[in-house]
Amino acid sequence: SQTIHQWPATLVQPVGSPLSLECTVEGTSNPNLYWYRQAAGRGLQLLFYSVGIGQISSEVPQNLSASRPQDRQFILSSKKLLLSDSGFYLCAWDRANYGYTFGSGTRLTVV
Amino acid sequence: GIQVEQSPPDLILQEGANSTLRCNFSDSVNNLQWFHQNPWGQLINLFYIPSGTKQNGRLSATTVATERYSLLYISSSQTTDSGVYFCAVLSKRSNDYKLSFGAGTTVTVRA
Repeated sequence: SQTIHQWPATLVQPVGSPLSLECTVEGTSNPNLYWYRQAAGRGLQLLFYSVGIGQISSEVPQNLSASRPQDRQFILSSKKLLLSDSGFYLCAWDRANYGYTFGSGTRLTVV
Repeated sequence: GIQVEQSPPDLILQEGANSTLRCNFSDSVNNLQWFHQNPWGQLINLFYIPSGTKQNGRLSATTVATERYSLLYISSSQTTDSGVYFCAVLSKRSNDYKLSFGAGTTVTVRA
């Protein structure tokens, strides 16, 4: 069966520090992968999506970047975190006739 | 882009009550999903339902694609049903894979 793993679950980072969040999918090949962010008390915003290795589409200009070094690995990064980067980050993948499945999320607090 | 509107924004229920959540969307869709976000933030996929009716235990959903709306029914509500319910759609016009989310309905079930 297919599963999606996301870590860490929580993270507290100082302003100006780097960030690396990792997401991996098991049990499938060549999935479409997504990074979403949810600010406190608000809806979900698509940040990046990828349809294949090395293929990244960015939805909003921001302090973040994404990479897909392997077929089932999707990484969200930042060189220098801002206070406004705080939020709940969710990785997802999708498959035909089933829709999107989300990881358990990373709650990032920038202090 | 496609607009997704959910109603009501908030719903308070007594345990055992039934309720209906609504999702209206502004264009034809290839995908419609209902998610439940639990208090820990995890997004649980409830239904993949671009059209028709599905049931899963006390939950059921109906999508009338020609009239551009979907309904989520919760019967005999329990405190564990509390959380935010999101409707999300993928527009037929979309050339990519962006799932557009509604703002959510916050459900509180009281014992």
